[in-house]
Amino acid sequence: DTGVSQNPRHKITKRGQNVTFRCDPISEHNRLYWYRQTLGQGPEFLTYFQNEAQLEKSRLLSDRFSAERPKGSFSTLEIQRTEQGDSAMYLCASSPTSGRTSSYNEQFFGPGTRLTVL
Amino acid sequence: AQRVTQPEKLLSVFKGAPVELKCNYSYSGSPELFWYVQYSRQRLQLLLRHISRESIKGFTADLNKGETSFHLKKPFAQEEDSAMYYCALRGTSGSRLTFGEGTQLTVNP
Repeated sequence: DTGVSQNPRHKITKRGQNVTFRCDPISEHNRLYWYRQTLGQGPEFLTYFQNEAQLEKSRLLSDRFSAERPKGSFSTLEIQRTEQGDSAMYLCASSPTSGRTSSYNEQFFGPGTRLTVL
Repeated sequence: AQRVTQPEKLLSVFKGAPVELKCNYSYSGSPELFWYVQYSRQRLQLLLRHISRESIKGFTADLNKGETSFHLKKPFAQEEDSAMYYCALRGTSGSRLTFGEGTQLTVNP
C-alpha cells in the first residue's frame, strides 16, 4: 500500500497518560496535515507542515499537543496528560505542492488513529 | 472565518431516484470547494472539486457564489453510493480544509 499510513490504528489509554501517534505520508508529498474528528462531526484542522516546517496551528492545538516532522518525512503527534475530551479519530493527510501553485493539490488521507481515553 | 454547513445529517433515497446533498459555506474571499466521501470501512477520499468541473461516478456539483452553496447532485442514485459525504472548503490564505459535519447517504434497493 503506497498511501498514507498511520500507527497505531487504535489506542486506549488512561486519563493523564501521554500518547504518540505516527503518520507516514506518501513519499513525494511535501505537505502533511493533522486533523481530529469526533463522533458525528467532520474532521477539524489541527496543524500542517511543509517539509519539516510547521506552518500553521489551529487554536484547537492546546499546549498539551505537539507535532513534529523532523526530517520532512514522517510526522508524530503527541498528546500529553490526556483528557477524556481528547477521545477522537486523529487523521493525517498529505499532499504534493506544485512549482506554481498548490491550490489544486489533493489531500490524501490516512486511515486514522482512534484514541480512547478512559 | 470560514464555515461549512451541511444541513442534513441523514439522507435516504431509493435506487434510481435523484439525490442532492446540500452544502452551504461562509467565506469572505474566493474559496475552493470540495466533496469528500467515506465508504464503509474505508478512508476519506476526494470525490470532486469545483475547479475541475467534472463528473465523478455520476456526481456533479456547481459552485453558486450568489447563494454560497455547493450542492452535490446525482440524477440516478445507486446502492454503492451509500456513504458519508463531507463538503469542504479551502480559503485563499492557507492550506487547511474546513469540513462540514457530513451527510450519511443511504440508497435503498
